[in-house]
Amino acid sequence: AQSVTQLGSHVSVSEGALVLLRCNYSSSVPPYLFWYVQYPNQGLQLLLKYTTGATLVKGINGFEAEFKKSETSFHLTKPSAHMSDAAEYFCAVSENNAGNMLTFGGGTRLMVKP
Amino acid sequence: NAGVTQTPKFQVLKTGQSMTLQCAQDMNHNSMYWYRQDPGMGLRLIYYSASEGTTDKGEVPNGYNVSRLNKREFSLRLESAAPSQTSVYFCASGQGQTATNEKLFFGSGTQLSVL
Repeated sequence: AQSVTQLGSHVSVSEGALVLLRCNYSSSVPPYLFWYVQYPNQGLQLLLKYTTGATLVKGINGFEAEFKKSETSFHLTKPSAHMSDAAEYFCAVSENNAGNMLTFGGGTRLMVKP
Repeated sequence: NAGVTQTPKFQVLKTGQSMTLQCAQDMNHNSMYWYRQDPGMGLRLIYYSASEGTTDKGEVPNGYNVSRLNKREFSLRLESAAPSQTSVYFCASGQGQTATNEKLFFGSGTQLSVL
């Protein structure tokens, strides 16, 4: 069965600092991996996804994530945080033969200090 | 372009009451989903519809029923609400028939409290 663990339910960074949100997954087959972002009072929006091919994936708003099979990780990074990045971020995994069972992590709330 | 529209945005029920959450998408998407979001647990799939005329159970279907009324609309019904169903409910849609490798579009959510 697939599962996702996001380390740290809350992360606080200063504006301009590096953002690092951690995601580890378990999957019995090659996974598809996603990061979604949720701004206050809104639904989730896709930031980026990894299916196959290049392991470094670039998404919207300057975010990127690297798939590391040996570490079963898919951490999300951004070189320089902006106030508008404050939101909740969800990592999700799906096994490529699992139909519609997209499994989400518990979420990490990112706070950006001025 | 409205995207995915959910109604109502807020609802308070008493234990045992019934209600239907409505969801409509205007993107001509094939698949539609209902998730619930609880603190620290991420989103969990309740039911989904891979295409018009089909519905399937997700991870947490107990206490819920769904109807894919047409390609645009996918409703979620609570027949006898329980306090454990207090949650934020999200409807989502996708162009393909699976969520495994595609982008999902989410509505803004329904905050439901069951007293």
